[in-house]
Amino acid sequence: AQTVTQSQPEMSVQEAETVTLSCTYDTSESDYYLFWYKQPPSRQMILVIRQEAYKQQNATENRFSVNFQKAAKSFSLKISDSQLGDAAMYFCAYRSSPLDNYGQNFVFGPGTRLSVLP
Amino acid sequence: DSGVTQTPKHLITATGQRVTLRCSPRSGDLSVYWYQQSLDQGLQFLIQYYNGEERAKGNILERFSAQQFPDLHSELNLSSLELGDSALYFCASSPFGSSYNEQFFGPGTRLTVL
Repeated sequence: AQTVTQSQPEMSVQEAETVTLSCTYDTSESDYYLFWYKQPPSRQMILVIRQEAYKQQNATENRFSVNFQKAAKSFSLKISDSQLGDAAMYFCAYRSSPLDNYGQNFVFGPGTRLSVLP
Repeated sequence: DSGVTQTPKHLITATGQRVTLRCSPRSGDLSVYWYQQSLDQGLQFLIQYYNGEERAKGNILERFSAQQFPDLHSELNLSSLELGDSALYFCASSPFGSSYNEQFFGPGTRLTVL
């Protein structure tokens, strides 16, 4: 079974600075998808960024980018120019290829709580 | 707004009672997932339905059950409630055939068992 690990329970960053959140996963599959979700104090789960394992290019969404290292099974999230609104719980998630769409679930990591200091 | 709706938003009940949580997926999404998030914990996958059929089961207790109806909405039934069942219950939906198959989450139902 796949597992997702986030080794940093809590992190903090100064406003306007850059922070990197770590995520590692364990799988024997070659094709899969990785996601970062954000959960602010409202508890709503918000998709931040996604990455297809077969794509070598790292995904980028505005101030958010990932460093995807397939061989190392690492998927870190970099937040640039941190803003107060970035303060939230961040979850890394894994799911198998859509070819195996039936009976597959997402596996979430335990989360990293990010604080942004003014 | 993800397009996934959940009702009720809050639910307070007593131990031993039974409750039903409802979820309407995004228009066109065939898969519905249920998750439980206890206080300051990660998401625990409970169960997945695809087009009315159960497709995957996670750490779902025998006291819990779910179903997906022909109109694709889903209900999660929790019975013989215990204090430890207090949590935020999320429903998520995903499309079939999407290149990413990400999940879209509803706002959650906060269940408090007293």
